[in-house]
Amino acid sequence: DAKTTQPNSMESNEEEPVHLPCNHSTISGTDYIHWYRQLPSQGPEYVIHGLTSNVNNRMASLAIAEDRKSSTLILHRATLRDAAVYYCILRDRGYSTLTFGKGTMLLVSP
Amino acid sequence: GAGVSQTPSNKVTEKGKYVELRCDPISGHTALYWYRQSLGQGPEFLIYFQGTGAADDSGLPNDRFFAVRPEGSVSTLKIQRTERGDSAVYLCASSSTGGNTEAFFGQGTRLTVV
Repeated sequence: DAKTTQPNSMESNEEEPVHLPCNHSTISGTDYIHWYRQLPSQGPEYVIHGLTSNVNNRMASLAIAEDRKSSTLILHRATLRDAAVYYCILRDRGYSTLTFGKGTMLLVSP
Repeated sequence: GAGVSQTPSNKVTEKGKYVELRCDPISGHTALYWYRQSLGQGPEFLIYFQGTGAADDSGLPNDRFFAVRPEGSVSTLKIQRTERGDSAVYLCASSSTGGNTEAFFGQGTRLTVV
């Protein structure tokens, strides 16, 4: 699996937008970009995924650079419940396993 | 229940003992994954089942670790001759198929080897 690079931690205030970056300069044409998050003492949970186009769902938006070498997970209004470790993962179209890195720990202040 | 269930939630065992960890995936999900997570690290892949067969067991660290899924639903992760370094949270996930479908994770089993 191609590797991703994320900041170790980020801080945000409640109700502000949060932009979590991910670099994946060695991404291949068949790699999907997945985001999962892990709340304290919980298993990871799916957030969003995409291939080339930007994606929106009820949890977040995913903005993918035109060259696909980077992407940004956008939480439009952070809440205290969004405090978690966010993982950016490349997953080949034909391969099932998710390979987790260390992720970004998001701290949200009231 | 609707989610992935793992039992027990906590397990303390003595070094050298044998342990079994159980995973009940979401009904109908054909893909099942085992991961383990040490403190401060992301989950580390162990094994992936598609139906009853292990499609990828490249993450199992050594031959003390073994997993089965005999009927294509419940899976058991078995660890022989446990060592203190096996202490971790063991996570199970399932998805409706393989490929790029969403994976649903259980809460994990915290294994402590003393």
